Amino acid sequence: GVTQSPTHLIKTRGQQVTLRCSSQSGHNTVSWYQQALGQGPQFIFQYYRKEENGRGNFPPRFSGLQFPNDSSELNVNALELDDSALYLCASSLEATDTQYFGPGTRLTVL
Amino acid sequence: AQSVTQLGSHVSVSEGALVLLRCNYSSSVPPYLFWYVQYPNQGLQLLLKYTSAATLVKGINGFEAEFKKSETSFHLTKPSAHMSDAAEYFCAVSGTGANNLFFGTGTRLTVIP
Repeated sequence: GVTQSPTHLIKTRGQQVTLRCSSQSGHNTVSWYQQALGQGPQFIFQYYRKEENGRGNFPPRFSGLQFPNDSSELNVNALELDDSALYLCASSLEATDTQYFGPGTRLTVL
Repeated sequence: AQSVTQLGSHVSVSEGALVLLRCNYSSSVPPYLFWYVQYPNQGLQLLLKYTSAATLVKGINGFEAEFKKSETSFHLTKPSAHMSDAAEYFCAVSGTGANNLFFGTGTRLTVIP
């Protein structure tokens, strides 16, 4: 299945953070979502065959990478208090296929 | 543009009773519709999906959902609730061929013994 690391993370405002995701075997697409407390997940962006393939309403300080082994990372610069959330990674066989989610990384910004 | 509305942020049912979680969607293109479940401190697990084949979709754990285009609805049902069904349920929509999901705000299901 999809794995994410770390499980929990605490940062202070202004810092930078990197979250990691290993996609399900054979999947070439990774999508990232932000889930604020009490809300549904919101789409950040998707990487398909190493290229960004769609982006939600998030500023450029949210960036990502997809590696040759199809794992992915989400980078957030200049952290703000509102960035505190559960960050979910999902992988799929192709860009428009069903997405399978990892357990998430809970980020707390103080 | 796509969006979903989940009616009822919190639903309580007795063990053995019918579960009905409501979802209405809005989509400018033929939609794909999904129900996911989230247990405490966990990620999302796919329950079922509609992709324009049969309008009645059967999923895991005894859940099913019916796509009703005339009502723009995709309600989730289960004939008999079990204690293990207590969780947060999210309805989501994507456009045909789209690469991102739009989620509702979720419905927390409580099962009363």
